Amino acid sequence: GIQVEQSPPDLILQEGANSTLRCNFSDSVNNLQWFHQNPWGQLINLFYIPSGTKQNGRLSATTVATERYSLLYISSSQTTDSGVYFCAVNWDNDMRFGAGTRLTVKP
Amino acid sequence: DSGVTQTPKHLITATGQRVTLRCSPRSGDLSVYWYQQSLDQGLQFLIHYYNGEERAKGNILERFSAQQFPDLHSELNLSSLELGDSALYFCASSVGVVVAWETQYFGPGTRLLVL
Repeated sequence: GIQVEQSPPDLILQEGANSTLRCNFSDSVNNLQWFHQNPWGQLINLFYIPSGTKQNGRLSATTVATERYSLLYISSSQTTDSGVYFCAVNWDNDMRFGAGTRLTVKP
Repeated sequence: DSGVTQTPKHLITATGQRVTLRCSPRSGDLSVYWYQQSLDQGLQFLIHYYNGEERAKGNILERFSAQQFPDLHSELNLSSLELGDSALYFCASSVGVVVAWETQYFGPGTRLLVL
Protein backbone atom coordinates (compact mmCIF):
# COMPACT_ATOMS: atom_id res chain seq x y z
CA GLY A 1 0.00 0.00 0.00
CA ILE A 2 0.89 3.65 -0.13
CA GLN A 3 3.36 4.90 2.47
CA VAL A 4 2.84 8.33 4.00
CA GLU A 5 5.66 9.98 5.89
CA GLN A 6 5.49 13.23 7.80
CA SER A 7 8.32 15.36 9.02
CA PRO A 8 9.40 16.53 11.45
CA PRO A 9 7.76 14.26 14.03
CA ASP A 10 7.98 16.99 16.66
CA LEU A 11 8.31 20.74 16.42
CA ILE A 12 8.57 23.32 19.17
CA LEU A 13 8.13 26.97 18.28
CA GLN A 14 7.98 30.29 20.01
CA GLU A 15 4.75 32.20 19.46
CA GLY A 16 5.00 34.31 16.32
CA ALA A 17 7.37 32.00 14.48
CA ASN A 18 6.68 30.42 11.09
CA SER A 19 6.88 26.72 10.31
CA THR A 20 6.68 24.26 7.45
CA LEU A 21 5.40 20.71 7.83
CA ARG A 22 6.03 18.15 5.15
CA CYS A 23 4.12 15.11 3.92
CA ASN A 24 5.66 12.66 1.46
CA PHE A 25 3.75 9.85 -0.17
CA SER A 26 5.00 6.90 -2.12
CA ASP A 27 2.60 6.65 -5.06
CA SER A 28 0.01 8.53 -7.08
CA VAL A 29 -3.04 9.53 -5.10
CA ASN A 30 -6.47 10.93 -5.87
CA ASN A 31 -6.24 13.60 -3.26
CA LEU A 32 -4.62 14.71 -0.05
CA GLN A 33 -5.95 16.26 3.10
CA TRP A 34 -4.45 18.02 6.12
CA PHE A 35 -5.97 17.70 9.57
CA HIS A 36 -5.32 19.28 12.94
CA GLN A 37 -5.99 17.45 16.19
CA ASN A 38 -6.04 19.84 19.13
CA PRO A 39 -4.73 18.88 22.58
CA TRP A 40 -8.27 17.88 23.59
CA GLY A 41 -8.52 15.39 20.76
CA GLN A 42 -10.84 17.23 18.39
CA LEU A 43 -10.00 16.64 14.72
CA ILE A 44 -10.47 19.40 12.17
CA ASN A 45 -10.11 19.09 8.43
CA LEU A 46 -7.83 21.97 7.39
CA PHE A 47 -7.38 21.49 3.66
CA TYR A 48 -8.61 19.22 0.91
CA ILE A 49 -5.79 19.73 -1.56
CA PRO A 50 -5.07 17.19 -4.31
CA SER A 51 -2.83 19.69 -6.07
CA GLY A 52 -1.92 23.34 -6.13
CA THR A 53 -1.99 25.84 -3.28
CA LYS A 54 -4.71 26.90 -0.89
CA GLN A 55 -4.70 29.46 1.88
CA ASN A 56 -6.89 29.89 4.91
CA GLY A 57 -5.82 32.74 7.14
CA ARG A 58 -2.38 32.04 8.59
CA LEU A 59 -2.35 28.54 7.16
CA SER A 60 -1.60 27.55 3.64
CA ALA A 61 -0.90 24.27 1.90
CA THR A 62 0.76 23.25 -1.32
CA THR A 63 0.61 19.83 -2.94
CA VAL A 64 2.94 18.87 -5.78
CA ALA A 65 1.34 15.64 -6.89
CA THR A 66 3.93 14.89 -9.57
CA GLU A 67 6.68 14.95 -6.93
CA ARG A 68 4.53 13.25 -4.30
CA TYR A 69 4.69 15.73 -1.48
CA SER A 70 2.63 18.33 0.28
CA LEU A 71 3.63 21.18 2.56
CA LEU A 72 1.65 22.89 5.27
CA TYR A 73 2.78 26.40 6.19
CA ILE A 74 1.87 28.01 9.47
CA SER A 75 2.72 31.67 9.78
CA SER A 76 2.82 33.81 12.92
CA SER A 77 2.08 30.75 15.04
CA GLN A 78 -0.17 31.04 18.07
CA THR A 79 -0.50 28.82 21.11
CA THR A 80 -3.85 27.63 19.76
CA ASP A 81 -1.98 26.10 16.82
CA SER A 82 -0.54 23.48 19.16
CA GLY A 83 -1.57 19.89 18.56
CA VAL A 84 -0.87 17.20 16.01
CA TYR A 85 -1.05 17.80 12.28
CA PHE A 86 -1.87 14.82 10.08
CA CYS A 87 -1.83 14.47 6.37
CA ALA A 88 -3.87 11.74 4.70
CA VAL A 89 -3.95 10.53 1.14
CA ASN A 90 -6.82 8.97 -0.75
CA TRP A 91 -6.50 6.56 -3.63
CA ASP A 92 -9.21 4.41 -5.12
CA ASN A 93 -11.42 3.65 -2.15
CA ASP A 94 -8.87 3.82 0.62
CA MET A 95 -7.27 6.43 2.82
CA ARG A 96 -3.94 6.39 4.62
CA PHE A 97 -2.76 8.74 7.36
CA GLY A 98 0.73 9.80 8.22
CA ALA A 99 1.99 9.48 11.77
CA GLY A 100 1.61 13.20 12.33
CA THR A 101 3.74 16.17 13.38
CA ARG A 102 3.30 17.23 16.99
CA LEU A 103 3.53 21.02 17.19
CA THR A 104 4.01 22.86 20.45
CA VAL A 105 3.82 26.66 20.37
CA LYS A 106 5.19 28.31 23.48
CA PRO A 107 3.99 31.75 24.64
CA ASP B 1 -18.94 22.31 17.55
CA SER B 2 -18.74 20.41 14.25
CA GLY B 3 -22.40 19.37 14.25
CA VAL B 4 -21.46 15.68 14.31
CA THR B 5 -22.52 13.84 17.44
CA GLN B 6 -21.21 10.56 18.77
CA THR B 7 -22.47 8.44 21.62
CA PRO B 8 -21.36 7.27 24.04
CA LYS B 9 -18.34 9.46 24.85
CA HIS B 10 -16.69 6.75 26.90
CA LEU B 11 -17.17 3.01 26.98
CA ILE B 12 -15.51 0.46 29.22
CA THR B 13 -16.10 -3.20 28.52
CA ALA B 14 -14.49 -6.61 28.79
CA THR B 15 -12.75 -8.81 26.27
CA GLY B 16 -15.11 -10.92 24.22
CA GLN B 17 -17.96 -8.46 24.49
CA ARG B 18 -19.82 -6.56 21.76
CA VAL B 19 -20.47 -2.83 21.64
CA THR B 20 -22.24 -0.41 19.33
CA LEU B 21 -21.04 3.11 18.66
CA ARG B 22 -23.44 5.64 17.24
CA CYS B 23 -22.88 8.65 15.00
CA SER B 24 -25.26 11.35 13.82
CA PRO B 25 -23.90 13.37 10.89
CA ARG B 26 -24.34 17.09 10.31
CA SER B 27 -27.71 18.07 8.94
CA GLY B 28 -27.64 17.61 5.17
CA ASP B 29 -24.52 15.46 5.04
CA LEU B 30 -24.98 12.17 3.23
CA SER B 31 -21.55 10.64 3.85
CA VAL B 32 -20.37 9.10 7.09
CA TYR B 33 -16.83 7.90 7.74
CA TRP B 34 -15.46 5.88 10.65
CA TYR B 35 -11.89 6.06 11.92
CA GLN B 36 -9.91 4.38 14.67
CA GLN B 37 -7.06 6.10 16.53
CA SER B 38 -4.84 3.98 18.73
CA LEU B 39 -1.37 4.39 20.17
CA ASP B 40 -0.12 1.38 18.21
CA GLN B 41 -1.70 1.97 14.80
CA GLY B 42 -2.22 5.72 14.74
CA LEU B 43 -5.18 7.01 12.75
CA GLN B 44 -6.80 4.47 10.46
CA PHE B 45 -9.71 4.76 8.08
CA LEU B 46 -12.28 2.03 8.68
CA ILE B 47 -15.27 2.50 6.41
CA HIS B 48 -17.30 5.05 4.41
CA TYR B 49 -21.04 5.08 3.82
CA TYR B 50 -22.87 7.34 1.43
CA ASN B 51 -26.64 7.63 1.65
CA GLY B 52 -26.99 4.18 3.16
CA GLU B 53 -24.58 2.35 0.91
CA GLU B 54 -21.06 1.21 1.67
CA ARG B 55 -18.68 3.12 -0.61
CA ALA B 56 -15.21 2.35 0.67
CA LYS B 57 -13.64 -0.02 3.11
CA GLY B 58 -10.28 0.52 4.73
CA ASN B 59 -8.47 -1.40 7.40
CA ILE B 60 -11.59 -2.69 9.12
CA LEU B 61 -11.44 -6.02 10.91
CA GLU B 62 -13.97 -8.74 10.12
CA ARG B 63 -15.14 -8.53 13.75
CA PHE B 64 -16.26 -4.97 13.04
CA SER B 65 -19.26 -3.95 10.97
CA ALA B 66 -21.13 -0.75 10.25
CA GLN B 67 -24.30 0.46 8.68
CA GLN B 68 -25.98 3.72 7.78
CA PHE B 69 -29.70 3.97 8.39
CA PRO B 70 -32.38 5.75 6.33
CA ASP B 71 -32.23 8.74 8.69
CA LEU B 72 -28.47 8.83 7.85
CA HIS B 73 -27.18 8.07 11.31
CA SER B 74 -24.59 5.34 11.44
CA GLU B 75 -23.59 2.63 13.85
CA LEU B 76 -20.26 0.85 14.20
CA ASN B 77 -20.52 -2.58 15.77
CA LEU B 78 -17.45 -4.09 17.38
CA SER B 79 -17.65 -7.73 18.45
CA SER B 80 -15.43 -10.30 20.15
CA LEU B 81 -13.50 -7.38 21.58
CA GLU B 82 -9.80 -7.70 22.27
CA LEU B 83 -7.48 -5.57 24.38
CA GLY B 84 -6.01 -4.14 21.19
CA ASP B 85 -9.36 -2.71 20.18
CA SER B 86 -9.01 -0.08 22.88
CA ALA B 87 -8.90 3.18 20.96
CA LEU B 88 -10.61 6.43 20.13
CA TYR B 89 -13.22 5.92 17.43
CA PHE B 90 -14.11 8.94 15.34
CA CYS B 91 -17.00 9.47 13.03
CA ALA B 92 -16.94 12.18 10.39
CA SER B 93 -19.46 13.41 7.86
CA SER B 94 -19.39 15.31 4.61
CA VAL B 95 -21.89 16.42 2.05
CA GLY B 96 -20.49 13.75 -0.23
CA VAL B 97 -22.78 14.49 -3.15
CA VAL B 98 -20.29 15.07 -5.92
CA VAL B 99 -16.92 14.21 -4.49
CA ALA B 100 -16.05 11.60 -1.93
CA TRP B 101 -13.36 12.30 0.60
CA GLU B 102 -14.20 15.99 0.53
CA THR B 103 -14.01 18.25 3.57
CA GLN B 104 -15.02 16.15 6.54
CA TYR B 105 -16.41 17.28 9.88
CA PHE B 106 -15.43 15.15 12.84
CA GLY B 107 -17.35 14.19 15.91
CA PRO B 108 -15.72 14.29 19.37
CA GLY B 109 -15.03 10.56 19.31
CA THR B 110 -15.92 7.60 21.48
CA ARG B 111 -13.14 6.38 23.74
CA LEU B 112 -13.32 2.61 24.10
CA LEU B 113 -11.41 0.78 26.78
CA VAL B 114 -11.38 -3.01 26.69
CA LEU B 115 -10.30 -4.64 29.95
